[in-house]
Amino acid sequence: DAGVIQSPRHEVTEMGQEVTLRCKPISGHDYLFWYRQTMMRGLELLIYFNNNVPIDDSGMPEDRFSAKMPNASFSTLKIQPSEPRDSAVYFCASSPGLAGDTDTQYFGPGTRLTVL
Amino acid sequence: AQSVTQPDIHITVSEGASLELRCNYSYGATPYLFWYVQSPGQGLQLLLKYFSGDTLVQGIKGFEAEFKRSQSSFNLRKPSVHWSDAAEYFCAVGADDYKLSFGAGTTVTVRA
Repeated sequence: DAGVIQSPRHEVTEMGQEVTLRCKPISGHDYLFWYRQTMMRGLELLIYFNNNVPIDDSGMPEDRFSAKMPNASFSTLKIQPSEPRDSAVYFCASSPGLAGDTDTQYFGPGTRLTVL
Repeated sequence: AQSVTQPDIHITVSEGASLELRCNYSYGATPYLFWYVQSPGQGLQLLLKYFSGDTLVQGIKGFEAEFKRSQSSFNLRKPSVHWSDAAEYFCAVGADDYKLSFGAGTTVTVRA
């Protein structure tokens, strides 16, 4: 299995621009998670989906952030407009959500976002 | 809500020496517990996990962890570290809502 795939790996953009991060979860996994990692705040859960439906978006920092999962093999995290304080590494993770392996999350390599 | 504390921000250990990383959790029920490792510029890789049963859990790369309910701890150990073990280590606790809460991480430096 290829694991969780994220693109792009690096993104540099200017303040005010729209940024879209992409994630392909492991095939057959029912849960998908978006995290943000910064030095100041560590790893923060932004939102997670179950069977393509958003379950908990309480970690999304503000309305500039939105996430979608149009099908079981693709999700996007969008920031519009972007701000310098959004600079971070964004991770996508997926989980099978099966009895006996309920919460094991498998992480992608991350997208390093820099907003100038 | 569940939470995790990793008391040590940074640990330096000599190659070949033993390593122990501390993790304390807060959760009302029996937790799901995990240790992940993150090498520079990489994603998080699962080292081991505890769901139930034997409280001593074996993981990859020669790591093990012991769940101690009385101390609300899940410390990670390795008897003899290698230079490739230099990384950041995260302890995490999960609940039935499928969410994980991560500790702040412990950075391990291995000196020759």
